Amino acid sequence: NAGVTQTPKFQVLKTGQSMTLQCAQDMNHEYMSWYRQDPGMGLRLIHYSVGAGITDQGEVPNGYNVSRSTTEDFPLRLLSAAPSQTSVYFCASSYRRERQETQYFGPGTRLLVL
Amino acid sequence: KNQVEQSPQSLIILEGKNCTLQCNYTVSPFSNLRWYKQDTGRGPVSLTIMTFSENTKSNGRYTATLDADTKQSSLHITASQLSDSASYICVVMTTDSWGKFQFGAGTQVVVTP
Repeated sequence: NAGVTQTPKFQVLKTGQSMTLQCAQDMNHEYMSWYRQDPGMGLRLIHYSVGAGITDQGEVPNGYNVSRSTTEDFPLRLLSAAPSQTSVYFCASSYRRERQETQYFGPGTRLLVL
Repeated sequence: KNQVEQSPQSLIILEGKNCTLQCNYTVSPFSNLRWYKQDTGRGPVSLTIMTFSENTKSNGRYTATLDADTKQSSLHITASQLSDSASYICVVMTTDSWGKFQFGAGTQVVVTP
């Protein structure tokens, strides 16, 4: 049981490039989400999904796209990278049935946009 | 303005000593409050989850309290260990939209020998 996995661990991009951050979980969780973490700030929700085929925007969705074709995978796409997207990105998952369900985080992807 | 405020921003404590971290929130409607531990370079790990009716919850040497009337929570670390060095994040979940969490900026704790 690997939990929540993220790839790559670190990435450097040039402004305008696109890329996909991968996230997978093997716990059969319905709920998955993407956050970004910037220094001195709390984690901010980018996009989330409550099940395969269902996604919705979070607090800071601009410049990012997501899709959820399977229960296990929830990739995050940067359409045209900007320096403001330099951050650490975390994927998280949990069961959706109860609000008190534990949320499990991946190890993070550190992104630097030059 | 962040709806979840944590204090202090950072603190240094000696190994074996106790410490208490504070969290004040204005988020509503309230569903539950969570404390996470985040080691450097890793994702957050859940320590406790408390609902409106719970005042105290423990997880080993970590004890969280919640006063839903004053919208305050604290995390107490007993007999600190070097492995307790981490950022501790307070998170509030609302009832009006499933899965919407408000994260505090965290308290950075450094335990020294």
